[in-house]
Amino acid sequence: AQSVTQPDIHITVSEGASLELRCNYSYGATPYLFWYVQSPGQGLQLLLKYFSGDTLVQGIKGFEAEFKRSQSSFNLRKPSVHWSDAAEYFCAVGLKSTLTFGKGTMLLVSP
Amino acid sequence: DVKVTQSSRYLVKRTGEKVFLECVQDMDHENMFWYRQDPGLGLRLIYFSYDVKMKEKGDIPEGYSVSREKKERFSLILESASTNQTSMYLCASSSPDAEAFFGQGTRLTVV
Repeated sequence: AQSVTQPDIHITVSEGASLELRCNYSYGATPYLFWYVQSPGQGLQLLLKYFSGDTLVQGIKGFEAEFKRSQSSFNLRKPSVHWSDAAEYFCAVGLKSTLTFGKGTMLLVSP
Repeated sequence: DVKVTQSSRYLVKRTGEKVFLECVQDMDHENMFWYRQDPGLGLRLIYFSYDVKMKEKGDIPEGYSVSREKKERFSLILESASTNQTSMYLCASSSPDAEAFFGQGTRLTVV
C-alpha cells in the first residue's frame, strides 16, 4: 500500500530564513504528488502539484518543490519565510483519483 | 471560483444521536471524499464516491455511512454518534488527476 512520510512534526524557522519541509513516499510507480497548506480552523489549500515533466515545480505563495525519483522524495521549499506562512503543511500522493496524506508538519515562524 | 461547501462549521451532538454532515461542490466533479482529521494522525479517508449512488470504504469506515443521491452532494452519516467520533471532518471533491478541493471543515463535538 502506498504511504507518505513527513518526518518532521514541528519545524520552527525565523522570519526571512529559508525553509525545507521533507516528504517521502512509498509507491511502486511515480504517483501524482501534492503539497497542501492548512491555516488554523480552515480547510486545505493546494500549494503545488507534480504530475510529470520538469521535476522542479512552482506553486503559489512563493513555494516550490522538487521531485527526486531516486530518493522517492518531494520536498517543499521557500527561500524566505514570512510570518503568514505559519500553518500546517501536508504532503499527499494521488492514485486512481484518491489521495493519501502524510501526517503533516506544523510550521512555526519566529520573529 | 471553485467551491466545496460544508453545511456546518461547528456541531455539538449527544452520544447516540444520528448525525448528518452535508457537503456540496459546484465543479461537476465525479469524485468526492470524506476525511477525518485528528492531531498527530493527519487526514484519514472515511469514504469516497466516484459516481452517483456509488461509494467505497476508505481506511476508517467503521461507525460511518454515506449517501450520494446527486452528483454535487455527498453526505456523511454517523448512525449513532460516540465520543470517539469527536473530530474535524473535511469534505473534498477531485478532478480525475486527483487534485482535491476541500471544504472549510466541520468540527464535530460529541458529548
